[in-house]
Amino acid sequence: KQEVTQIPAALSVPEGENLVLNCSFTDSAIYNLQWFRQDPGKGLTSLLLIQSSQREQTSGRLNASLDKSSGRSTLYIAASQPGDSATYLCAVKNTDKLIFGTGTRLQVFP
Amino acid sequence: NAGVTQTPKFRVLKTGQSMTLLCAQDMNHEYMYWYRQDPGMGLRLIHYSVGEGTTAKGEVPDGYNVSRLKKQNFLLGLESAAPSQTSVYFCASSPGTNTGELFFGEGSRLTVL
Repeated sequence: KQEVTQIPAALSVPEGENLVLNCSFTDSAIYNLQWFRQDPGKGLTSLLLIQSSQREQTSGRLNASLDKSSGRSTLYIAASQPGDSATYLCAVKNTDKLIFGTGTRLQVFP
Repeated sequence: NAGVTQTPKFRVLKTGQSMTLLCAQDMNHEYMYWYRQDPGMGLRLIHYSVGEGTTAKGEVPDGYNVSRLKKQNFLLGLESAAPSQTSVYFCASSPGTNTGELFFGEGSRLTVL
């Protein structure tokens, strides 16, 4: 059974810092891994999708890497801003299902 | 540009009542999913569908039923609501491939008294 873990559960940093959020999974037989952002009381917004054959994806200040053999992904946020404050979730796709981690709650203060 | 739309957004039920949550997507996606999100437990898959007329159980299917009579709609039903079903419910859809990106609705907050 696939299990997805995110560390840390919460993070509070000053504006301008570069951040790394971690995601680990137990079954490396995945099709893809997706990072999402969730604002309080809102739905999930897709940030980056990495296919199993890819090593990383970049979008603006975000960079996600995937090491399938070790069951790990990292989300790198450069030059963090208060507007980045949200919960970040990773999810891996096995067969037909997407299994989620419990998320990292990020607060960036001015 | 609607994407994934869930109705209703909020609902309060009494124990034992029934209700249906509707999810509609306009992206011609094959796959549709229902998740529930609870504090400290993340998102858990209830049921999903890989195409019109198909449904399958996820991690926490008990107490819920689903139907996918039309490709664009995925209904989640609670036949006899229980307080343990108080949660935020999210619908999602993705293209009919194993590599497709997942798109979410805004969520439906259900309270069972």
